[in-house]
Amino acid sequence: DAGITQSPRHKVTETGTPVTLRCHQTENHRYMYWYRQDPGHGLRLIHYSYGVKDTDKGEVSDGYSVSRSKTEDFLLTLESATSSQTSVYFCAHSGGGRAYEQYFGPGTRLTVT
Amino acid sequence: SQQGEEDPQALSIQEGENATMNCSYKTSINNLQWYRQNSGRGLVHLILIRSNEREKHSGRLRVTLDTSKKSSSLLITASRAADTASYFCATLFGNEKLTFGTGTRLTIIP
Repeated sequence: DAGITQSPRHKVTETGTPVTLRCHQTENHRYMYWYRQDPGHGLRLIHYSYGVKDTDKGEVSDGYSVSRSKTEDFLLTLESATSSQTSVYFCAHSGGGRAYEQYFGPGTRLTVT
Repeated sequence: SQQGEEDPQALSIQEGENATMNCSYKTSINNLQWYRQNSGRGLVHLILIRSNEREKHSGRLRVTLDTSKKSSSLLITASRAADTASYFCATLFGNEKLTFGTGTRLTIIP
């Protein structure tokens, strides 16, 4: 158990609908990350946060927004879901410092029909 | 763009044999990390090697780093069925963000 949970674990939604994925950590870590994993692409960073209300874009941020109002929660929102956003989404957290080892949640499988 | 690329993409070996997978990267790094992912699960951190280190051990894992060749290798000795998983290298350079490779899928045949 990496002290991190994601909800929901599975979701099917229709194109054009908004979707919010939640990540919750219990380690009081400063850094949190959202990735998507697709066959042939490995993990790609969507957005990350380096503190409450401090966020920045990753490699594939278009179509996604994030919010972090509390240390323990990091939300990922798809404003208007598209089929290309069908993927498995992973949240991770890190204590930061020189190591930057990351600890991952179990993932959310999102299907956009 | 991918910073790390693993090789081979897939590897099947008999239980008890050693498994070696490689990672190449493009730019200077602060550290390189290896992660394991079991099917349907999140990634688990295995080992971290800093840019000023050449070799590191953790249990049955041995990691080497050659910064002149921008490459790393992960050796798993005396493989077990439970080692069946995908293995990813990830590089950290300059800031808080890791960049992951596309992974090596390892299958241990009992």
